[in-house]
Order: sequence, then C-alpha cells, then structure tokens
Amino acid sequence: TQLLEQSPQFLSIQEGENLTVYCNSSSVFSSLQWYRQEPGEGPVLLVTVVTGGEVKKLKRLTFQFGDARKDSSLHITAAQPGDTGLYLCAGGNNAGNMLTFGGGTRLMVKP
Amino acid sequence: GAVVSQHPSWVICKSGTSVKIECRSLDFQATTMFWYRQFPKKSLMLMATSNEGSKATYEQGVEKDKFLINHASLTLSTLTVTSAHPEDSSFYICSATDGSSYNEQFFGPGTRLTVL
Repeated sequence: TQLLEQSPQFLSIQEGENLTVYCNSSSVFSSLQWYRQEPGEGPVLLVTVVTGGEVKKLKRLTFQFGDARKDSSLHITAAQPGDTGLYLCAGGNNAGNMLTFGGGTRLMVKP
Repeated sequence: GAVVSQHPSWVICKSGTSVKIECRSLDFQATTMFWYRQFPKKSLMLMATSNEGSKATYEQGVEKDKFLINHASLTLSTLTVTSAHPEDSSFYICSATDGSSYNEQFFGPGTRLTVL
C-alpha cells in the first residue's frame, strides 16, 4: 500500500507570509498532483508533476517533485486570504488508474 | 474543459431510505470514475473505482451491497446508498479520468448527504 504523509496538517499565517507544504512517501509515484479544495466543493487540480526534480510555477505557487519521485513540496509566496483552503497532494501509481491522497493541509491566511 | 457535475449537491433523507447520486463528465468521455467519501476536515477516502460496463472495484472495508455503483456509460456513474443510516451522512465526491493524462482526475463539486 502506498502512503503519503502530508505536513503540516494545519497552518495559520498572516497575509504576506511565505509557507511550504510537504508531501512525503517511501514509495515511488509515477506522477504527483496538487489539489486545492474549498469547503463544500470538490478538489480543483492545481498542477501535475511527472519528472523527478521537476519544478513548476503557477504565479505565487511553486511546486517541486523530488529527484526520486517520492516526495513533493508546495511553496506559496506572499500568501493572500484567497489562498485559504485545504491543499491535497496525490500520488499516481504506475498503472495510471489510482491516486493516493495525502492527509491534507488546511491553510488559513489572515488579512 | 474536463468538467464533472454531480447531482444532487445536497440531500437530506430519513433513515432507511435509499439515495442515488449521479456523476457526469460533461465534456469528455470518462474511462474511469472514482467515488470518494470525505469526513469533516479530513482528506478524501477512496470508496470504489468503476470502469464503464464493468463491475466496480471496492476498497477494503467498503460494503458493495451498501454502496451500489453503476457505470452505465462513458459519461455517467451513479452511487446509490441503500438503506441509509445516520452514520452514512458525509460528503461524497466523484471524479473522472479520460485516461489520457498522468493519473489526473477531475472532481465533481460533491454531494452532501444528511441522514436523519
């Protein structure tokens, strides 16, 4: 069974601060997705990384896939209240037919 | 593109009744659809995986006779919670993949079920 450990579980910061969310596993994943979910809604895909060492930037968000494809990080620069939500990482298996989700990081950005 | 809808978005029912939730891929053909359950402030828990025209594969601990899944077409999957009880109250989310991208799943908006 593949497991993904996500940390921290909860993060409360002030507007303008930077933060990093980590997603770690002992398993190798063929791909790694990051999703953001708001209360009462389904998760929305932010990014997919597939190559070890890959770095993708989406405005103030920077996503990195570990060289060994076992871990990933999400860094947010100058967080804004609109960034508030539940961030989920999910690793894809080699067969391409399943995602394993991390436990989620609940982010609150105070104005 | 890649829009998934769910219906209903919110349902309240009495204990003992059955509730059907629909999941539709609106602008693509979904080779595989997934059903998740999410408890408050928790991550997603995969319940089952369904492929069009075949029986769903249930995760360990999920009762297949309790949660009936039908994937009749490439754009529609349904989850029926049979004889619902208060402990079945939860947020149910479906997702779909067209099989062309790296494990990317596109999620529906979820259905909040409350069983009285």
